[in-house]
Amino acid sequence: DVKVTQSSRYLVKRTGEKVFLECVQDMDHENMFWYRQDPGLGLRLIYFSYDVKMKEKGDIPEGYSVSREKKERFSLILESASTNQTSMYLCASSLLTSGSYEQYFGPGTRLTVT
Amino acid sequence: AQTVTQSQPEMSVQEAETVTLSCTYDTSENNYYLFWYKQPPSRQMILVIRQEAYKQQNATENRFSVNFQKAAKSFSLKISDSQLGDTAMYFCAFDFNRYQGAQKLVFGQGTRLTINP
Repeated sequence: DVKVTQSSRYLVKRTGEKVFLECVQDMDHENMFWYRQDPGLGLRLIYFSYDVKMKEKGDIPEGYSVSREKKERFSLILESASTNQTSMYLCASSLLTSGSYEQYFGPGTRLTVT
Repeated sequence: AQTVTQSQPEMSVQEAETVTLSCTYDTSENNYYLFWYKQPPSRQMILVIRQEAYKQQNATENRFSVNFQKAAKSFSLKISDSQLGDTAMYFCAFDFNRYQGAQKLVFGQGTRLTINP
């Protein structure tokens, strides 16, 4: 059974703190993604990675960075958390393929920045 | 910019009824992939159904089917014989662009569907 796990379901941080969100997949997928989900806006891509140590910006990368040191793990970093980063964060992974594919999602981390 | 629009923020139907969720998109691309994802309350997002734009036949997965109108840029999801377990947020998504084989999905705003007993 495929599995994507995220380190926390709920997280509360203070403005200015450095925040780490961890994601691990056990499917040997090449691609990994970080999205944020906000009501009325759907999911928006923050960053993605197509290989170890490789990363690319998505649609809303400002205020975020990522790290992928191992194939199974993809971390999202908020260098200095702000209240407008309060959101649900979803991690996903997928195979490297030129054809049709599926992204597998983690359960999400609901982050509140106060 | 490529956009995806789900014009129904919320829908509610009775169990066993048929319901159709709408999705429209804007693109100048000719070949792409289309998806419907389901996010049940407090549970992980899962793929419901996928469609390849170059295939004329509409995709079907058990009670779920799509009505893909390429010229109209419309991609609706029909759920037949709806069940309580179909209660969820539904997202329409498109693979518009790829970088090094990684898919950059664009999602719609979502439709919250409630199935009432």
